[in-house]
Amino acid sequence: DAGITQSPRYKITETGRQVTLMCHQTWSHSYMFWYRQDLGHGLRLIYYSAAADITDKGEVPDGYVVSRSKTENFPLTLESATRSQTSVYFCASSARGAEASYEQYFGPGTRLTVT
Amino acid sequence: RKEVEQDPGPFNVPEGATVAFNCTYSNSASQSFFWYRQDCRKEPKLLMSVYSSGNEDGRFTAQLNRASQYISLLIRDSKLSDSATYLCVVNVWNDYKLSFGAGTTVTVRA
Repeated sequence: DAGITQSPRYKITETGRQVTLMCHQTWSHSYMFWYRQDLGHGLRLIYYSAAADITDKGEVPDGYVVSRSKTENFPLTLESATRSQTSVYFCASSARGAEASYEQYFGPGTRLTVT
Repeated sequence: RKEVEQDPGPFNVPEGATVAFNCTYSNSASQSFFWYRQDCRKEPKLLMSVYSSGNEDGRFTAQLNRASQYISLLIRDSKLSDSATYLCVVNVWNDYKLSFGAGTTVTVRA
């Protein structure tokens, strides 16, 4: 089915381990985003990408790495997971719409727990 | 100052009631405005775009006031299924990143 998917949906890992969260979209949207959402903080932008091989830091990039070798995929890697990275992670994508609007469409999220 | 500010609520209303709430934005260059809905930390979903002239979608009405830099959402004849967190979202013209408010929680009771 067309849309945006994330995997895994749930992940428990230990402190210090490397974890990769996957995001895949079938709309050929140029723009992709990673957010984390914690109670009391709302959505916070981690990294974003305007196209394949173009990525940039958002509000809270420390401890994360991204890549985008293909338009449809935007994986997020936690290089050495810490307990403070326990969160719900949402991937989103968008394209330039009418009147230069850029509404985003979100994946179902990955609930990550770092023990 | 946050780019987008919302009253977190919660707004507790009985079924059938009307509920309205606002959000304010700080960047006068903001061009596009949206309301998203989020259920129980599931993914945010686009509820409606907000146009300069205001717009309706069924029981939902959105308004934009550029002079005072706020947008509003009104829900008429509230249903239990309207219980959710409503996110106010803004972006500056031709900037593909969006600014999200922290959300307003609405709880509709039977």
